[in-house]
Amino acid sequence: TQLLEQSPQFLSIQEGENLTVYCNSSSVFSSLQWYRQEPGEGPVLLVTVVTGGEVKKLKRLTFQFGDARKDSSLHITAAQPGDTGLYLCAAQGTYKYIFGTGTRLKVLA
Amino acid sequence: EPEVTQTPSHQVTQMGQEVILRCVPISNHLYFYWYRQILGQKVEFLVSFYNNEISEKSEIFDDQFSVERPDGSNFTLKIRSTKLEDSAMYFCATQGSYNSPLHFGNGTRLTVT
Repeated sequence: TQLLEQSPQFLSIQEGENLTVYCNSSSVFSSLQWYRQEPGEGPVLLVTVVTGGEVKKLKRLTFQFGDARKDSSLHITAAQPGDTGLYLCAAQGTYKYIFGTGTRLKVLA
Repeated sequence: EPEVTQTPSHQVTQMGQEVILRCVPISNHLYFYWYRQILGQKVEFLVSFYNNEISEKSEIFDDQFSVERPDGSNFTLKIRSTKLEDSAMYFCATQGSYNSPLHFGNGTRLTVT
């Protein structure tokens, strides 16, 4: 069974702090996606990483795909209240997308 | 930007009743999925659908659940006899090609009383 474990599960930080969210698996994936979900809405794609070791930046968000394509991280620099939400990693399994356990981030003003 | 549209946004039903949740996929997408999310919990896979048939289903997707694409556009999830534990957000997601990212609708909040 392919699983994606995320850590931490919950994170509450002050505005301006930095944070890192991790997504780990024992399986190798050809690509991995990060989504953000706000209350009452569906997950929205942030980024896709494809190549082992790849780093992608999206404003204050930095995404990295592990060299072995089994894990990924999301780093947020100088977090803002607008970053609050549920962050999900996901990867294509056989005939389905597998989602991580999620990291619920709250950024306090 | 093309969107996945789900209706209704909120459905309240009594235990034992049938419900049909509807999804209009992005027009050129080929792969369709239903996921559900119980409040505050993880996104759980229910079923995937391609070429007018189910590709895979989870153990949640028992014989009370069914999916179809009756008119070639709408993609529906039917729950024949709802249970209290079916209360959740149900998300439709579509995919243009295998291994491309999923596009989600805004979900249907199902409340079973």
